Amino acid sequence: KQEVTQIPAALSVPEGENLVLNCSFTDSAIYNLQWFRQDPGKGLTSLLLIQSSQREQTSGRLNASLDKSSGRSTLYIAASQPGDSATYLCAVDSNSGYALNFGKGTSLLVTP
Amino acid sequence: SQTIHQWPATLVQPVGSPLSLECTVEGTSNPNLYWYRQAAGRGLQLLFYSVGIGQISSEVPQNLSASRPQDRQFILSSKKLLLSDSGFYLCAWRLQGWNEQFFGPGTRLTVL
Repeated sequence: KQEVTQIPAALSVPEGENLVLNCSFTDSAIYNLQWFRQDPGKGLTSLLLIQSSQREQTSGRLNASLDKSSGRSTLYIAASQPGDSATYLCAVDSNSGYALNFGKGTSLLVTP
Repeated sequence: SQTIHQWPATLVQPVGSPLSLECTVEGTSNPNLYWYRQAAGRGLQLLFYSVGIGQISSEVPQNLSASRPQDRQFILSSKKLLLSDSGFYLCAWRLQGWNEQFFGPGTRLTVL
């Protein structure tokens, strides 16, 4: 069974810092990996999706990388802002069309 | 553009009462539909998914059930709620043949 782990569980940084969130998964036979953002009490917002054949995806200040062979993905946030404060979730699609396997998330706080 | 709706947004129910949560998707047809539950400290857990009208697959044995009476409508039900059913319920959709999954705003269920 696919296990997804996110480290750290919580992170607090001052505004302007660049930061990296980590995601690891146990089964490298994946179709894709998706990063989400969740604000308190809200649903999930899709940030980036990386296909298994890709190495990285970029959207604005966000860059996600994927190393399938080692079972790792990172989400890089450049020049962090207080509005980036949220929980970031990593999800792996191991069985295309069915379940996403989620990590428990990294709770990010960016202080002014 | 596609949108996904869930209602109610919040619900407080006594133990043993019935439950009906509704999810509808607009702007697409024949989507895959999903119900997830997010409990404190446990991450997102897939409960049910559906690839078409009347086709429901259950991932976790429980006292919940799901139905898909129309192409873009997905309903989560229970005949008798348990305390352990409390949580944040999220509906999601994905186009068949596409990878990215999109989530609704969620329903916060508290069972007392």
